[in-house]
Amino acid sequence: QKEVEQNSGPLSVPEGAIASLNCTYSDRVSQSFFWYRQYSGKSPELIMSIYSNGDKEDGRFTAQLNKASQYVSLLIRDSQPSDSATYLCAVNIDNNDMRFGAGTRLTVKP
Amino acid sequence: KAGVTQTPRYLIKTRGQQVTLSCSPISGHRSVSWYQQTPGQGLQFLFEYFSETQRNKGNFPGRFSGRQFSNSRSEMNVSTLELGDSALYLCASSPGTSGKETQYFGPGTRLLVL
Repeated sequence: QKEVEQNSGPLSVPEGAIASLNCTYSDRVSQSFFWYRQYSGKSPELIMSIYSNGDKEDGRFTAQLNKASQYVSLLIRDSQPSDSATYLCAVNIDNNDMRFGAGTRLTVKP
Repeated sequence: KAGVTQTPRYLIKTRGQQVTLSCSPISGHRSVSWYQQTPGQGLQFLFEYFSETQRNKGNFPGRFSGRQFSNSRSEMNVSTLELGDSALYLCASSPGTSGKETQYFGPGTRLLVL
């Protein structure tokens, strides 16, 4: 079993819709979780970090964490074509050893 | 605040050579982590340095090594290059005090081994 699993997609949504990205992880003691966005040919950029169970909202983005079920999700409301990218789920195992999922490629169609 | 910088941005080497990549973290950050990204394996953790000490290491062969200087700048070295080492090498910096903070990535160094 991979440490961090994501649906690789591609995920396609129309402009203005909600995009839902999911991630599960295997390490029960993990305490910090991140979503990064990566455009083709660029480095990952941080979208959201979440440390506690529940929801965390930042603008159009909402991260949800459920440690009991070992999953973390990212919702993107009012999706825009500029949101088209690969979204990487990351789990910090220990001392900045971050394990990444394979990424979900999102396409937002105008 | 200036972001993470990496040099060089692009490199072409031949098999058997060695290469050194450099990373300057965000000012005030003391932790630098290195990652390898390939289409087949995705993003994989190489190692992390904090206050000039390697604090954590991923599952890579000994040909991959690194170090950190007193100003927190870090270098990564790959010896005896193999074709499979062709990848985007990313470094990420964080304050480092808890080992679990947000990491911020540099632009990466794209290495091509011929």
